[in-house]
Amino acid sequence: RKEVEQDPGPFNVPEGATVAFNCTYSNSASQSFFWYRQDCRKEPKLLMSVYSSGNEDGRFTAQLNRASQYISLLIRDSKLSDSATYLCVVNNAGNMLTFGGGTRLMVKP
Amino acid sequence: EPEVTQTPSHQVTQMGQEVILRCVPISNHLYFYWYRQILGQKVEFLVSFYNNEISEKSEIFDDQFSVERPDGSNFTLKIRSTKLEDSAMYFCATQGVRDSPLHFGNGTRLTVT
Repeated sequence: RKEVEQDPGPFNVPEGATVAFNCTYSNSASQSFFWYRQDCRKEPKLLMSVYSSGNEDGRFTAQLNRASQYISLLIRDSKLSDSATYLCVVNNAGNMLTFGGGTRLMVKP
Repeated sequence: EPEVTQTPSHQVTQMGQEVILRCVPISNHLYFYWYRQILGQKVEFLVSFYNNEISEKSEIFDDQFSVERPDGSNFTLKIRSTKLEDSAMYFCATQGVRDSPLHFGNGTRLTVT
């Protein structure tokens, strides 16, 4: 089983749509969870940390379900500029962060 | 906002040659990492470095790879004898405290011919 697993997509959505991504992780001892965004041929950039109680940052909402070992990201009112690959990141052992393969989002006019 | 800077942005080298990739971490960060991303694939962990020694390393980080922080500022990744399959984007990342998010540099694209 992959350590951090994501649907690669692509998710093609119109502007203004709401889209949700899920991610599952295999290590039940993981303590830190993040969503990163990566544009083509660029470095990953932190979108948001994911907290146990769930957290929101503007149009973005992250949820963590420890029992089922999955993390979600919800994007409301999608913008063209949201088009990117969204990376689920989990600390898998010690202080080592493990990346999922990413979910590609394409927002169309 | 403080940044992690990497040089060079693009390195082309012949198979069997040594390369050194350089990273200047954010000044008060204590944990340093190298990750790589082969084109079209996921970001893969190579090595973590704390307190002037390797903390963890992956299976990818074999004897051909080494890291050091020679002058207390630059953090380097050396590949002793490059192979074609070493072609990838190499990202340096730094972290202020454990379990906090990583801050990535803009990467070095390594092309081995």
